[in-house]
Amino acid sequence: GENVEQHPSTLSVQEGDSAVIKCTYSDSASNYFPWYKQELGKRPQLIIDIRSNVGEKKDQRIAVTLNKTAKHFSLHITETQPEDSAVYFCAAYFPGGYQKVTFGIGTKLQVIP
Amino acid sequence: NAGVTQTPKFRVLKTGQSMTLLCAQDMNHEYMYWYRQDPGMGLRLIHYSVGEGTTAKGEVPDGYNVSRLKKQNFLLGLESAAPSQTSVYFCASSLGTEAAGYTFGSGTRLTVV
Repeated sequence: GENVEQHPSTLSVQEGDSAVIKCTYSDSASNYFPWYKQELGKRPQLIIDIRSNVGEKKDQRIAVTLNKTAKHFSLHITETQPEDSAVYFCAAYFPGGYQKVTFGIGTKLQVIP
Repeated sequence: NAGVTQTPKFRVLKTGQSMTLLCAQDMNHEYMYWYRQDPGMGLRLIHYSVGEGTTAKGEVPDGYNVSRLKKQNFLLGLESAAPSQTSVYFCASSLGTEAAGYTFGSGTRLTVV
């Protein structure tokens, strides 16, 4: 089955610095890669996603890049703010009759004011 | 438009007791899922449904049962609760089409003593 590895498990950055979270996946047929943000005590929420036919996608301060050859994708947050502090999950979708989704284990990001 | 609603939000059970968690969505989503979230283990799929009247096992189905009698509702049952089922449970739904992200419920924190 699909395996998704996510690094690092924890990340601390100073406010204003950039943060990068990386994920690798095992199944080359995976075609959709969303990222979820989960604030403490709240539900995961989709923040950005990328399809396999796209190399990069940006939305204000966040961006996701995809390298299909290397089977890895990354979340980039620029000019970090304290409200970016949360757990971030990556996921990889494997197409089929049921969209098989595998989540990464999560990265706890702390932005230090 | 409430999205995905889970009830209850908190529950304490004694070992051996039973309970049902309710998930309701008003987005006309075909796919619904139950996940459990434990520290250091990310999100693990318990059961899922690809449409009304259908259910299937996920990664960690033992000790749980589900039903999807109506498209908008997905019930998760614990017949005989065990301390190992202490967790935060999230319901999610999606359109089921390619590149469809999840909408999560707010979660149920269950403690089994």
